[in-house]
Amino acid sequence: AQRVTQPEKLLSVFKGAPVELKCNYSYSGSPELFWYVQYSRQRLQLLLRHISRESIKGFTADLNKGETSFHLKKPFAQEEDSAMYYCALSGSGYSTLTFGKGTMLLVSP
Amino acid sequence: DGGITQSPKYLFRKEGQNVTLSCEQNLNHDAMYWYRQDPGQGLRLIYYSQIVNDFQKGDIAEGYSVSREKKESFPLTVTSAQKNPTAFYLCASSPGQGAYEQFFGPGTRLTVL
Repeated sequence: AQRVTQPEKLLSVFKGAPVELKCNYSYSGSPELFWYVQYSRQRLQLLLRHISRESIKGFTADLNKGETSFHLKKPFAQEEDSAMYYCALSGSGYSTLTFGKGTMLLVSP
Repeated sequence: DGGITQSPKYLFRKEGQNVTLSCEQNLNHDAMYWYRQDPGQGLRLIYYSQIVNDFQKGDIAEGYSVSREKKESFPLTVTSAQKNPTAFYLCASSPGQGAYEQFFGPGTRLTVL
């Protein structure tokens, strides 16, 4: 069974502070990991995926297989980063996507 | 704004009534999904379909039914057997199943009175 854990329901930081949204997963094989974001009044959308190794809107995430983690990081938070963030996992083959419960990020001025 | 659409945006129904939520996509995607989003619960998979005329149960399929008669359409029926139907429902599609990006609709908020 595949499982995704986001331990923080809410993360509140000030503008310019570093941000780390935690994501841990449980899966026996080689997973594909994603971060999805939902801004206020907008659709849920893909932020980044680990295989692309991109930095999107200043966010990065590294897959740590030893710690089974895929934490999302940004060195300097902006107010427009305030949103709900979901970590998601897809297993090998034709697996469905399993989402964590989400972390609400609030960036204050 | 094309892509994936859901209607209606808000839906109110009396307890004991079945209700059908619409989901349409013009992305030519093979796979489609229905999720339920509740506060503090994240997204939970209700049903998914990899191809026309085929669909599988997700993690919380009880009290729901779907059909996939056309590639672009994947309607969800919330039946009277669903014990707690009031929720926000999201539809998504992807080119295939597995490690593809999923594209989400705007959602339908269902309230059962």
